Amino acid sequence: QKEVEQNSGPLSVPEGAIASLNCTYSDRGSQSFFWYRQYSGKSPELIMFIYSNGDKEDGRFTAQLNKASQYVSLLIRDSQPSDSATYLCAVTGLTGGGNKLTFGTGTQLKVEL
Amino acid sequence: DVKVTQSSRYLVKRTGEKVFLECVQDMDHENMFWYRQDPGLGLRLIYFSYDVKMKEKGDIPEGYSVSREKKERFSLILESASTNQTSMYLCASSPTSGSTGRYGYTFGSGTRLTVV
Repeated sequence: QKEVEQNSGPLSVPEGAIASLNCTYSDRGSQSFFWYRQYSGKSPELIMFIYSNGDKEDGRFTAQLNKASQYVSLLIRDSQPSDSATYLCAVTGLTGGGNKLTFGTGTQLKVEL
Repeated sequence: DVKVTQSSRYLVKRTGEKVFLECVQDMDHENMFWYRQDPGLGLRLIYFSYDVKMKEKGDIPEGYSVSREKKERFSLILESASTNQTSMYLCASSPTSGSTGRYGYTFGSGTRLTVV
């Protein structure tokens, strides 16, 4: 079992719809959870982080965390073509201490006109 | 804003060459990391450093070494480049010990290395 799992996609949504991206993790000791966006050929950029159960909203983005189910998700409301990218889920608190992030392989999102 | 600068965006090297990838951050971060990213495999940690002259192996250190002589600079060295080291290499930093969970990483722009 991978430590951080994401569906590779592609996930296709129409413009204006809600995109839902999911991530599961194996270590119950994981403390913090991050979502990075990566455009093709570019480096990842941080868009959201969450460490408490529940929802955290920032503009069109909402991160949701359920530690009991070891599940974190990212919702993108009113999806735009500019949201088309690969979204990486990352967690801290896995083996080796809390300074390192462990990444999933990413979900490719395509927002279609 | 924190800036993490990688010296080259694209690099082509020959098999057997010694390759240096440089990374510099300008915000006095203690933690620095080197990852490689390959399709289907995601980001894999090669080495990381919590302090000057300190280094720890990540998940895939074989064939690589690192150097951190100054706090702001973390170098990745491919001792004898091989074709299976063709990849995107990403440097990242975070502020202090234990702070990654609050701040995450800031990434450099990446170096796409091709070994022929």
